[in-house]
Formats: sequence, C-alpha cells, structure tokens
Amino acid sequence: DQQVKQNSPSLSVQEGRISILNCDYTNSMFDYFLWYKKYPAEGPTFLISISSIKDKNEDGRFTVFLNKSAKHLSLHIVPSQPGDSAVYFCAATRSFSRLTFGEGTQLTVNP
Amino acid sequence: SQTIHQWPATLVQPVGSPLSLECTVEGTSNPNLYWYRQAAGRGLQLLFYSVGIGQISSEVPQNLSASRPQDRQFILSSKKLLLSDSGFYLCAWSVHEAFFGQGTRLTVV
Repeated sequence: DQQVKQNSPSLSVQEGRISILNCDYTNSMFDYFLWYKKYPAEGPTFLISISSIKDKNEDGRFTVFLNKSAKHLSLHIVPSQPGDSAVYFCAATRSFSRLTFGEGTQLTVNP
Repeated sequence: SQTIHQWPATLVQPVGSPLSLECTVEGTSNPNLYWYRQAAGRGLQLLFYSVGIGQISSEVPQNLSASRPQDRQFILSSKKLLLSDSGFYLCAWSVHEAFFGQGTRLTVV
C-alpha cells in the first residue's frame, strides 16, 4: 500500500521559472511532512518540512503547501536554478515515528 | 552537531556471500534509526527501523536482517546475498527530520 505518492516521475522547467512538485498521501494520521533532495550516489538531504497544523511553510526559494482536505502537498521552487536539478522525495510521518517516502520526482532545470 | 557515518561506500559481493553494512550516529541520543534501499530508478524503500536498542521493525519480507547493538549503531546484514539485493542502501537517523548517510552502492554479482 503506497501511502505517499508522487505521480510525476519527472519534471523539466526553464531556469528562472517556478518548479512545482506534487505529492499525495492516503493516511490521514500523518501529521508531519518533509521534502528531501537527492543527487546521484548521495544520501538525500533535508529541504523543508511542514506540520499538519500549518498550510504553508517558506524557506528562501522553497515553499511547501499542505492541503489536508485533499491530502496533498506541494513544493514550489522559485526561481528555479540548474543546481536544483535532482530527485525530490516527499515523506510523511505520524508523531515522528517511521518516515514513509514517495517514489521521487526527477527535476531538471534547463539553463 | 550530529553526524552519521555509513560504510563502505561501495561494495561488490558474489551471490551467496554474507553482508554487513554499518552505520553510526554521533551527537544525538536515542535516535530513530532506519535502513532504506533505493533500487535503480525506484524510490526509497524502508527496510528496517528501530526506536531503541534491540528494537527492530521489519517492513518487507526479505533475506536481510538488522541489529542495533548500541544506541547509535545500526547494522544491516545478510547470511547469503541474492542478485536482487543489489541497490543503493541508505542509513538514516531522526528525532524529527531524518538525516541520511552517504549510502552504500551494493552490487551482487
């Protein structure tokens, strides 16, 4: 049962434009959501998170939006830069126990 | 500050050989510890997680096992590797956000 889904395996955007990465979840008990960025042959690095009591969290060029009624979250990157090209994973957890990850979305930012 | 060490970085093992991957965390106490695997072109699959010494939860049936002999040490093992065990293995720790090691590229030949 895939409780966290990233339905787009890849996304390509132009430098300077907005990148929007989407994630859906099915478990209404999840109360904390995270985004990770991963380069090839490296471990994922934490990007940004959001608690279920919020609907938006912003950190520089990165903003995460949470729509609890739709069980949907998204990561906005603006403006996108070529160095942002990586695989992005969303993850969810309940009470900071095990993390459940989505399948990932490969973002390519073209110069 | 907290750091996580995972080794080796790459490993080539023959089918049927044993496996031991080690992960240690510094700078934190009683973290949740995880082993993930990323197969080629796939997402992160949770293999094991541990909330304390000797407490291991297995997420998927497989020929791998995990142990946590110390608070900040997590070991992934196999008695006999299969070809399908090839992949990129990641150790992670968390209190809130999870932080990952650099990973081990395992190739079973």
